[in-house]
Amino acid sequence: ELKVEQNPLFLSMQEGKNYTIYCNYSTTSDRLYWYRQDPGKSLESLFVLLSNGAVKQEGRLMASLDTKARLSTLHITAAVHDLSATYFCAVDIGAGGTSYGKLTFGQGTILTVHP
Amino acid sequence: DAEITQSPRHKITETGRQVTLACHQTWNHNNMFWYRQDLGHGLRLIHYSYGVQDTNKGEVSDGYSVSRSNTEDLPLTLESAASSQTSVYFCASSERGLVLSSYNEQFFGPGTRLTVL
Repeated sequence: ELKVEQNPLFLSMQEGKNYTIYCNYSTTSDRLYWYRQDPGKSLESLFVLLSNGAVKQEGRLMASLDTKARLSTLHITAAVHDLSATYFCAVDIGAGGTSYGKLTFGQGTILTVHP
Repeated sequence: DAEITQSPRHKITETGRQVTLACHQTWNHNNMFWYRQDLGHGLRLIHYSYGVQDTNKGEVSDGYSVSRSNTEDLPLTLESAASSQTSVYFCASSERGLVLSSYNEQFFGPGTRLTVL
């Protein structure tokens, strides 16, 4: 059974600081997704990582995937208040070119950025 | 623009009643999914479908059922609502199933907040 664990679960940051959210998973996979959720809202896709060593960047967020370590990171650079949200990683069990299209989510990391 | 909608957005019901939550997508996606979101658990998969007439159980399927009679809709039914089913329910869809795909990125509906009293 695939398990996906994020840490930390709660993150309080000051504006301007850097930090990393970690996503570990237990089964071979080369497909990982990051989502953002604002309070009371739906999930918004941030990044799709499809191979070992994949790196994607959008603004102050950068995501990477290390399939050998079964680890993805979401790095926040110079945090701003607008980044306050809950961030989820999700893993697709498929590997080797096959995807089952089914995602297993981590617990989510609640990020709060303070002035 | 293509979208995925859920209805109702909020529902209060009583224990033992049957409840159906609707999910409709205009992406023409083959895959559709139902999740529940509870604090501390992230999103947990309830049921999913890879196409018309196909349904599969997810991680937390007890007490729930789905049917897929067309591409656009995957209604979720709570046969006899229980207080433990109070949650926020999300429907999602993605393009493909058991085939090589570049993405299978899931797109989420706005959610339904269900309260069972």
